[in-house]
Amino acid sequence: DTAVSQTPKYLVTQMGNDKSIKCEQNLGHDTMYWYKQDSKKFLKIMFSYNNKELIINETVPNRFSPKSPDKAHLNLHINSLELGDSAVYFCASSQDKDTIYFGEGSWLTVV
Amino acid sequence: GENVEQHPSTLSVQEGDSAVIKCTYSDSASNYFPWYKQELGKRPQLIIDIRSNVGEKKDQRIAVTLNKTAKHFSLHITETQPEDSAVYFCAASAYNQGGKLIFGQGTELSVKP
Repeated sequence: DTAVSQTPKYLVTQMGNDKSIKCEQNLGHDTMYWYKQDSKKFLKIMFSYNNKELIINETVPNRFSPKSPDKAHLNLHINSLELGDSAVYFCASSQDKDTIYFGEGSWLTVV
Repeated sequence: GENVEQHPSTLSVQEGDSAVIKCTYSDSASNYFPWYKQELGKRPQLIIDIRSNVGEKKDQRIAVTLNKTAKHFSLHITETQPEDSAVYFCAASAYNQGGKLIFGQGTELSVKP
């Protein structure tokens, strides 16, 4: 029943590895987002897709690459992980860029 | 671009008291102002929102006010309960910017029984 679901919930990996986080929404929304929450709890947008088209790309290292195979899915791939990438990554969705609903978050720890 | 400032960063109140959290924004094009509550280890959850054509909105013990001229908006929680303890975030967005939400820094509310 989960509206916005993301996997994995927890991920511990070594520096230099490549990892992916997957997100799916069953709300029928046309816009999906990736937000990053750092250790100070600050929430910052990374990317947004509207009907599979990238519409927001904030100042994010190009090691981060989003992919939207269809409007219900938005995945995040991270290459060459660094210690500073440790954070909680939230997927979210909205209809027509309106109210945003968040997924449960993916806790990434880079060691 | 938009910048949202939120105060205070921490707030401690006695159960039954009121709590007020204030935010200011910089972009006059912003027209949507949601508030999210985030409990420890959980996702941010929308608790109330207000649009720029409205000055005040209430939902039971929660109310939000918006002053477009001064570019500030506030969250008011009355009759606080221990389960209100969480981090609260204000945010602002403009439709013509792709619905991008810019968040405030968060307020950690602690309600003491």
